Amino acid sequence: AQSVTQPDIHITVSEGASLELRCNYSYGATPYLFWYVQSPGQGLQLLLKYFSGDTLVQGIKGFEAEFKRSQSSFNLRKPSVHWSDAAEYFCALASGGSYIPTFGRGTSLIVHP
Amino acid sequence: EPEVTQTPSHQVTQMGQEVILRCVPISNHLYFYWYRQILGQKVEFLVSFYNNEISEKSEIFDDQFSVERPDGSNFTLKIRSTKLEDSAMYFCASSGGSLAYEQYFGPGTRLTVT
Repeated sequence: AQSVTQPDIHITVSEGASLELRCNYSYGATPYLFWYVQSPGQGLQLLLKYFSGDTLVQGIKGFEAEFKRSQSSFNLRKPSVHWSDAAEYFCALASGGSYIPTFGRGTSLIVHP
Repeated sequence: EPEVTQTPSHQVTQMGQEVILRCVPISNHLYFYWYRQILGQKVEFLVSFYNNEISEKSEIFDDQFSVERPDGSNFTLKIRSTKLEDSAMYFCASSGGSLAYEQYFGPGTRLTVT
């Protein structure tokens, strides 16, 4: 069975600092991987996705993620965090043949001024 | 930019009552989904809908739940007899034909069952 693990429930960073949110997955083949962001009172917004090809993918709002097959990871990064990035971040995995993603538990990002 | 909308944003109901949650997917999308998120827990898939029928459903989606696309724009989730444990945020999502893996989510309906 496929699964997604986000080991950090909360991450606190200072504004302007770099950010890395961890995501590990379990799946036998190459998965489709996603990062979503959920701001308070909002739905989930797709930040970026990995289907195939270049393992470093760029997304919206200055985010990027790197697919590392050897580590079964898809970590989200941003070089300089803004206060508006404070939100809940979800990593998700979908497998071939099904459009239904399996979500991680989410990581809450807190940004200090 | 087109977006998925959901109404109401918050619904309070008594246990045993029926509720209908409404969604308007993005107009040219073909696949429609409902998810729920119990407070503090993961987002969980409930059901997907394509070509006017359910294409996949999870074990959560039991006989108490039903979905319908009553017209060309709305997509509804009905819970026939609500239970306390149905209290959650319910998200609707939709995706297109060639980009079916890219799902666009609505803002959610918070359902509180008392």
